[in-house]
Amino acid sequence: QLQLQESGPGLVKPSETLSLTCSVSGGSISSTTSTYYWGWIRQAPGKGLEWIASIYYGGSTYYNPSLKSRATISVDTSNNQFSLKLRSVTAADTAVYYCAKDYEGYDSSGHYYNWFDPWGPGTLVTVSS
Amino acid sequence: QSVLTQPPSVSAAPGQKVTISCSGSSSNIGNNYVSWYQQLPGTAPKLLIYDNNKRPSGIPDRFSGSKSGTSATLAITGLQTGDEADYYCGSWDNSLSALFGGGTKLTVL
Repeated sequence: QLQLQESGPGLVKPSETLSLTCSVSGGSISSTTSTYYWGWIRQAPGKGLEWIASIYYGGSTYYNPSLKSRATISVDTSNNQFSLKLRSVTAADTAVYYCAKDYEGYDSSGHYYNWFDPWGPGTLVTVSS
Repeated sequence: QSVLTQPPSVSAAPGQKVTISCSGSSSNIGNNYVSWYQQLPGTAPKLLIYDNNKRPSGIPDRFSGSKSGTSATLAITGLQTGDEADYYCGSWDNSLSALFGGGTKLTVL
């Protein structure tokens, strides 16, 4: 059974870089049996879900346009992990950060499918001095 | 303000049926698939529905999804107290971005 686990500092100072890693177990991050990516989603306290970025094991990436200038997603196939860096953080970046397996692609009629499953338990990152 | 619009809250009595709507546009729901997630208090979201109306293994058939035009609906029948949670819709936008709705809090009275 595939499991994901986020890890990283729980406290980051304003203007610094938030760095998180998602460790994947129970399956290979570079399996080619179907089309899927690996993604990061966050949830500010009391708020809804916000997609941040997704990456294919081969390196192809997608970013939320509102975060693209500050975010970098990367993959480490040798350690079955993928990571997120978010630069120049402010208090508005305080959130629970989730990693998830991201199924996505075009069907035969050109419509895009995209869903996240499973999700890691999440890790709270607080931005504060 | 989310691109996908959901009602902030819905409620119904145990055993009843409730529906949650998700409204988008032609650049997302109108031309792409919809997914739904359940988030129980203090836990990570869990996939309920994908590809508009498909259930992952282990999701009861009390949960169903549908799509018409630029809107989608999640229906839950035979409501149980354990269904109290936040529910989110998701879709892909042609601007190359994954989207989530703002979430709907379900209260089982």
